[in-house]
Amino acid sequence: DAMVIQNPRYQVTQFGKPVTLSCSQTLNHNVMYWYQQKSSQAPKLLFHYYDKDFNNEADTPDNFQSRRPNTSFCFLDIRSPGLGDAAMYLCATSRDFGGNEKLFFGSGTQLSVL
Amino acid sequence: DQQVKQNSPSLSVQEGRISILNCDYTNSMFDYFLWYKKYPAEGPTFLISISSIKDKNEDGRFTVFLNKSAKHLSLHIVPSQPGDSAVYFCAASSSGGSNYKLTFGKGTLLTVNP
Repeated sequence: DAMVIQNPRYQVTQFGKPVTLSCSQTLNHNVMYWYQQKSSQAPKLLFHYYDKDFNNEADTPDNFQSRRPNTSFCFLDIRSPGLGDAAMYLCATSRDFGGNEKLFFGSGTQLSVL
Repeated sequence: DQQVKQNSPSLSVQEGRISILNCDYTNSMFDYFLWYKKYPAEGPTFLISISSIKDKNEDGRFTVFLNKSAKHLSLHIVPSQPGDSAVYFCAASSSGGSNYKLTFGKGTLLTVNP
């Protein structure tokens, strides 16, 4: 009955080797988000899609890209992962984009960079 | 610059007692506040929310109180149960301006001891 599904749960990559994390949703929500959460830190928004409109946070490094080929799927691409990119990556969705929208999160992908 | 602060990284309470988790915010534009609960290896799940037009919202064992003048909110869990042991994130957003995205605190780890 999962609604926001992230694959894989754990991902190990090498320094500098591109990696892609995936997210799918069965909620048919308009908005999909990618958050980065490092240990003992607050989840940090990287970017979001409203339908096909992409919105990048001002402080998101260029190393991070995203694709949303259709309503259900969204991908996070890290072009050249550094050691500092090791973190939990959380995908979330919301029906719409506004101040009182609830976010529905996936279980996250824990990324390790060796 | 942390706009949402959870100053207690952890809290430990006895089963059956009250748990009080605190959250402070600095941005006066925030007008919607949410609490999320996160178990290990899972994504955050929505728990309860409150709009700034209210000062209290209750849902079963969970009550959120908002003190706008102090820019402070708290989550009360009574009675606490071992299954409530999790990380609790406070989040805030604004229905207008550029603060519509959710801003999270760092979380508080609640441990409820049997």
